[in-house]
Amino acid sequence: EPEVTQTPSHQVTQMGQEVILRCVPISNHLYFYWYRQILGQKVEFLVSFYNNEISEKSEIFDDQFSVERPDGSNFTLKIRSTKLEDSAMYFCASSGTGEQPQHFGDGTRLSIL
Amino acid sequence: GQQLNQSPQSMFIQEGEDVSMNCTSSSIFNTWLWYKQEPGEGPVLLIALYKAGELTSNGRLTAQFGITRKDSFLNISASIPSDVGIYFCAGLLVGGAQKLVFGQGTRLTINP
Repeated sequence: EPEVTQTPSHQVTQMGQEVILRCVPISNHLYFYWYRQILGQKVEFLVSFYNNEISEKSEIFDDQFSVERPDGSNFTLKIRSTKLEDSAMYFCASSGTGEQPQHFGDGTRLSIL
Repeated sequence: GQQLNQSPQSMFIQEGEDVSMNCTSSSIFNTWLWYKQEPGEGPVLLIALYKAGELTSNGRLTAQFGITRKDSFLNISASIPSDVGIYFCAGLLVGGAQKLVFGQGTRLTINP
């Protein structure tokens, strides 16, 4: 069964450094998403992306965050200057349409030191 | 913002027992989804519900989309050890926004 893949599985970064999290969505999906989950808490929406532009973003997704689909298969989340509170699991998801269920990758654990 | 209230937060049961958990909200949702998350993994889709009143099964799992479109429940019958994990409800809002709103999760622990 096709799946969403994310790399790396764990990223350790110094505070203030830039980090790029990578995702390969399911190949025929058109809608892409990033969510984050702080340890022990619920999953929170960050951003949705369709047709090469952001369709919605949450208040968490401030100017330090950006997303890009640099080619036909990858979808990336960049955090420009990381803060301690950015430490979390970051999940990529994709769906065929905006109404179809979203399928999640196994996440990248981001640890900011 | 929109909130989903999921209960219970945790459950400790014996193998073979049935389990029930639910989510409620003050907002109306187009779609309700139930996911399971195991340690070190992402949420895995269990059941998707698209119509108010819809009752859907997936093996030992049964979920319903409430008539008011503001609530949903998930039942697991005859629990087995591999049912252990955190179960999340999630809703897609009316109005075209594609973001999923998640509940706080129900942590299920099973004593063999």
